[in-house]
Amino acid sequence: QLQLQESGPELVKPSETLSLTCTVSGGSISSSSHYWGWVRQPPGKGLESLGSIYYTGSTYYNPSLKSRVTMSIDTSKNQFSLNLNSMAAADTAVYYCGRHLNWSGFDSWGQGILVTVSS
Amino acid sequence: EIVMTQSPATLSVSPGERATLSCRASQSVRSNLAWYQQKPGRAPRLLIYGASTRATGVPARFSGSGSGTEFTLTISSLQSEDFAVYYCQHYNNWPPLIFGGGTKVEIK
Repeated sequence: QLQLQESGPELVKPSETLSLTCTVSGGSISSSSHYWGWVRQPPGKGLESLGSIYYTGSTYYNPSLKSRVTMSIDTSKNQFSLNLNSMAAADTAVYYCGRHLNWSGFDSWGQGILVTVSS
Repeated sequence: EIVMTQSPATLSVSPGERATLSCRASQSVRSNLAWYQQKPGRAPRLLIYGASTRATGVPARFSGSGSGTEFTLTISSLQSEDFAVYYCQHYNNWPPLIFGGGTKVEIK
């Protein structure tokens, strides 16, 4: 059974860069069928996709955050990562990693990690 | 960018009753639409993709319909475990993948 697990800091300071990693187990991140993405959810609010990455390293960022987002993938470790720079209070959210197909929704999700931006 | 609008924001339903949730896209997304269920403190769960195909393990009381700009998620007979927030999401010509604002289904 596929499992995803987010890891990284739960507290970041304003203006710093957030770095999160998603470790995939029970399946290969090198699947040619799947994309690996990041979704966030501010407390009490809705879902926002940050972007996705393919096993080849091709990235697909949300244009609203494109200037701040960088994603990478390490197939040898079965991991993919998110960097989000210039963090502000509005970036406080639960960050989820997930898997999706080109023609479907996210069918597997990590448990999420609450990241708080505060000095 | 396509905007996904869900209505109503909150739906009050008694157990055993039928619930009908709506999702509207600002432009056609064909049938490239998914529905999710999210319970407090949990990650979303994929219910429907392709507007009407149930994901693996999803009970038959959940059904999706629609195409283009108008979509509906129907829960035929609400069970206690179905009270949650439901989101639609399109994946037509992404990025970005856009979610609707959600509908909370609460006990009446």
